[in-house]
Amino acid sequence: NAGVMQNPRHLVRRRGQEARLRCSPMKGHSHVYWYRQLPEEGLKFMVYLQKENIIDESGMPKERFSAEFPKEGPSILRIQQVVRGDSAAYFCASSDREETGELFFGEGSRLTVL
Amino acid sequence: QKEVEQDPGPLSVPEGAIVSLNCTYSNSAFQYFMWYRQYSRKGPELLMYTYSSGNKEDGRFTAQVDKSSKYISLFIRDSQPSDSATYLCALRLSGSARQLTFGSGTQLTVLP
Repeated sequence: NAGVMQNPRHLVRRRGQEARLRCSPMKGHSHVYWYRQLPEEGLKFMVYLQKENIIDESGMPKERFSAEFPKEGPSILRIQQVVRGDSAAYFCASSDREETGELFFGEGSRLTVL
Repeated sequence: QKEVEQDPGPLSVPEGAIVSLNCTYSNSAFQYFMWYRQYSRKGPELLMYTYSSGNKEDGRFTAQVDKSSKYISLFIRDSQPSDSATYLCALRLSGSARQLTFGSGTQLTVLP
């Protein structure tokens, strides 16, 4: 799963700042998924995107969170006005088609909000 | 009640032991069942993927699904210290890969 690249691997922000997390899917993959892992909890689905389209954002908090997957460049998960409760590991996964059981995960971006 | 329940452990076994990891679920609509392994500070990697009830074997790993009981298991034979990781079960509904529902993970340590 080294093919899914996430950066930064670690990010520290103060309350009220913005966090931007980037994800480059595996080569040939056009489906991107973002998951969040809180301490001692399993991964929770946030959003599913294809190029230039948000397909399913049912797991995204209603405020402060947004995601995009532009025609060129990586997918970006953006968190505005971060709060301490946003501290978590954010994982991106990609697949070559939706109808598949195999998602390839990146190594995650660990956000710490001070 | 969570959709997927998984004993968080931690589970500690001696090298060579048979390990049994389990998840129960409440939604009978789940059709696909997966086990992921996650090493510390790394992303999850897919170990096993099953669709139907029954057993599926891959090397030292066997995945078992019992849809009637809503119970899935992962068995690891001849466990090795390199198997020390957190094991996550993941389930999804038919026809959609967009949302996997994960268990909270079981932390396994295999002692040399």
